Amino acid sequence: DAGVTQSPTHLIKTRGQQVTLRCSPKSGHDTVSWYQQALGQGPQFIFQYYEEEERQRGNFPDRFSGHQFPNYSSELNVNALLLGDSALYLCASSLSVGTSTDTQYFGPGTRLTVL
Amino acid sequence: AQRVTQPEKLLSVFKGAPVELKCNYSYSGSPELFWYVQYSRQRLQLLLRHISRESIKGFTADLNKGETSFHLKKPFAQEEDSAMYYCALRGYSGGGADGLTFGKGTHLIIQP
Repeated sequence: DAGVTQSPTHLIKTRGQQVTLRCSPKSGHDTVSWYQQALGQGPQFIFQYYEEEERQRGNFPDRFSGHQFPNYSSELNVNALLLGDSALYLCASSLSVGTSTDTQYFGPGTRLTVL
Repeated sequence: AQRVTQPEKLLSVFKGAPVELKCNYSYSGSPELFWYVQYSRQRLQLLLRHISRESIKGFTADLNKGETSFHLKKPFAQEEDSAMYYCALRGYSGGGADGLTFGKGTHLIIQP
């Protein structure tokens, strides 16, 4: 099991563009969470997907949206990119147990640079 | 609102010395607390969680609800402990478990 995988590794976009990041969860996991980590900061929770629906959301604008597919993989979409969106985007997968989730396993991240 | 504070951005200790990484939190209910570690060029990984009460790689952390703290300790530091350490909290709202709230992290350097 390769664990959580993310693609692409790096991405460069310009202001106003749109971007899609992808995540494949660890085998056996059904829940995917996305985090944004700016330089020198801890990860910040964006949202969580379970059963193809957004279950929880952090304090991020509607420009940030996501999707989960039947195979549990997930996408993070960001519209109208701003310079401040430059960050490392982390995906974490876990197994849901009722309304809670077990340990979150993180992927290596996608480094997004907005010029 | 929930918040995690790690007051030290950088902590440097000598090999064999005790280590304590501080973590304080703010949350109105009963949260779950975690310590995550990121070694150089590796992904973020769970070190320990308060509900399991385990000792991992010699590290322990006790949840002190009175002081709202979850400090990470190790009696004798080793060079391989050098890494970035993040304290994280998970609360519970109407929809179930929330996403993790992380502190800004402490860069631990163990000097030979």
